[in-house]
Amino acid sequence: GAVVSQHPSWVICKSGTSVKIECRSLDFQATTMFWYRQFPKQSLMLMATSNEGSKATYEQGVEKDKFLINHASLTLSTLTVTSAHPEDSSFYICSATPHDRAWGEKLFFGSGTQLSVL
Amino acid sequence: GESVGLHLPTLSVQEGDNSIINCAYSNSASDYFIWYKQESGKGPQFIIDIRSNMDKRQGQRVTVLLNKTVKHLSLQIAATQPGDSAVYFCAAPWGRNTGFQKLVFGTGTRLLVSP
Repeated sequence: GAVVSQHPSWVICKSGTSVKIECRSLDFQATTMFWYRQFPKQSLMLMATSNEGSKATYEQGVEKDKFLINHASLTLSTLTVTSAHPEDSSFYICSATPHDRAWGEKLFFGSGTQLSVL
Repeated sequence: GESVGLHLPTLSVQEGDNSIINCAYSNSASDYFIWYKQESGKGPQFIIDIRSNMDKRQGQRVTVLLNKTVKHLSLQIAATQPGDSAVYFCAAPWGRNTGFQKLVFGTGTRLLVSP
């Protein structure tokens, strides 16, 4: 089946630094990828929709200047957490599909990135 | 907007028992629902889905029931195994004409299976 690879799986950084997370579709092309954030013992919250070749669409309350998204190719989207602070510590997950509007079984999630900001 | 929630944060069962995880939704126009399993430190994994024109759908050891009258769905796991221990989320598409991809997730139920 289709695979979505996310890297790194965990990262620890100092407050004020920036961290980049990569999401790759390994065996399919993804025009659209999605970025979620998950705090401990909570549900996944959609942060933004990443569109290849265009600007990302951010959900209400998500700072686009803090969470920079780049989708430069059909197989790679990156999320950069700029000037990270401890409150940004979270589990970040991406998802992608090989189809524009496929059903649930065609939506694949990455393995997630645990970000810890000291 | 859409909200999808779960009744219980934790469900503890014995190995071999049947498990039932419940979910309520608020948008009567929702026409598609998905159940995901998330193991610790991993991304969600698709389990089963159901469309609103169905009341029941079965998979391997799992069954999803949909009651549109009370806006409730459930996930039943037969003969629960230790490997089923995880957090289970129901999810539904958010908004119209977005396909299924833009999902709103429920709060999740942690299933604990003891031997």
